[in-house]
Amino acid sequence: GAGVSQSPSNKVTEKGKDVELRCDPISGHTALYWYRQSLGQGLEFLIYFQGNSAPDKSGLPSDRFSAERTGGSVSTLTIQRTQQEDSAVYLCASSSLGQGLTEAFFGQGTRLTVV
Amino acid sequence: DQQVKQNSPSLSVQEGRISILNCDYTNSMFDYFLWYKKYPAEGPTFLISISSIKDKNEDGRFTVFLNKSAKHLSLHIVPSQPGDSAVYFCAATAPTGANSKLTFGKGITLSVRP
Repeated sequence: GAGVSQSPSNKVTEKGKDVELRCDPISGHTALYWYRQSLGQGLEFLIYFQGNSAPDKSGLPSDRFSAERTGGSVSTLTIQRTQQEDSAVYLCASSSLGQGLTEAFFGQGTRLTVV
Repeated sequence: DQQVKQNSPSLSVQEGRISILNCDYTNSMFDYFLWYKKYPAEGPTFLISISSIKDKNEDGRFTVFLNKSAKHLSLHIVPSQPGDSAVYFCAATAPTGANSKLTFGKGITLSVRP
């Protein structure tokens, strides 16, 4: 497809389990973001990949969270030993910065519920 | 440290009237600003943007105004329609360096009453 694709769309997991969330950005986009939105809250920045630069991990809430981007394309966000406060919608976005600033395009999100 | 602030959590307007959504920022390095719209259970979608070299950008019913000296921008929707009811996020960025990621505000929930 032409848009940002995220999988799974919904994930229910037991507290303490690890989860992996996947993001397929728009082909050719060099920048990739992960955000999360908890119930009733705004968009919380998690991590930002831009080309071959070191990722900006300043938004990751704890060392249980990690993300990688393989080959400058697909990204996975991993949450280890999930806690109930990790329940949120995790949103991925990509953008192209090759010719100046452009808007980021978001996926539909992964709704994570930790029970 | 909230670098992009949307201080009003919600706004309700009558159909056909103007909706004005406000946003303030603190980082003087920001020079590109965007508005996103989000419906429930969907990802945010881009609405309109403005570069700091401009003070106004218009696209149909949507106009964004930028006041750099006040570090303030606003989104005007006129006339407002019930389908405009959504959460609106303001975002800011800069071309390079640590500020190049999109920084979002907390959002404003707009309700347009028929």
